[in-house]
Amino acid sequence: EIVLTQSPDFQSVTPKEKVTITCRASQSIGSSLHWYQQKPDQSPKLLIKYVSQSISGVPSRFSGSGSGTDFTLTINSLEAEDVATYHCHQSRSFPWTFGQGTKVEIK
Amino acid sequence: EVQLVESGGVVVQPGGSLRLTCVASGFSFDDHAMYWVRQAPGKGLEWVSLITWDGYSTYYADSVKGRFTISRDNSKNSLYLQMNSLTTEDTALYFCATRSQHLDFDYWGQGTLVTVSS
Repeated sequence: EIVLTQSPDFQSVTPKEKVTITCRASQSIGSSLHWYQQKPDQSPKLLIKYVSQSISGVPSRFSGSGSGTDFTLTINSLEAEDVATYHCHQSRSFPWTFGQGTKVEIK
Repeated sequence: EVQLVESGGVVVQPGGSLRLTCVASGFSFDDHAMYWVRQAPGKGLEWVSLITWDGYSTYYADSVKGRFTISRDNSKNSLYLQMNSLTTEDTALYFCATRSQHLDFDYWGQGTLVTVSS
């Protein structure tokens, strides 16, 4: 099983600040790494697919990068509506797995 | 509009069984793989199981292998999860979800809550 480890677990930031969340895989997963956003009491929503590919309707302040085992989700200029938990997810091999999640709050 | 509606979540005793159902609409159900993801209270997401479009192949998380069975009925646009030998560790909100092969679309239901408690 491929283990995904996110850091940090929690981040409190001021509006317009830049947010960086990392996701490390226990083995290489190529580009099969995706990011989800889950707002309180909602289902997860796909934010970035295949490391860095944008999703229609997702604001351009969200971007992804990385390769192999180390990946990053960046939120440029955090807005109040971005308060959520962010999950990385690999579909390189079964069993699919998720990171433990990173909760982002407004300071 | 794509809709995935889960049902079947209840309070069940340890050792008990339960079947979850997900009814899909708004897309070609029989063209897409379907899967279940769960989320324990206050915890992260855990992928549970996937079934291919034709039901021919199934995959499971190690934590549920041998206890849970995923199935589908394409004539009813329905996905199922038979859960046996339940433990308190299975307490979670269970989401039904689908995606295209290259994630051109990705949809989740609102979830159904399973509570395993004596």
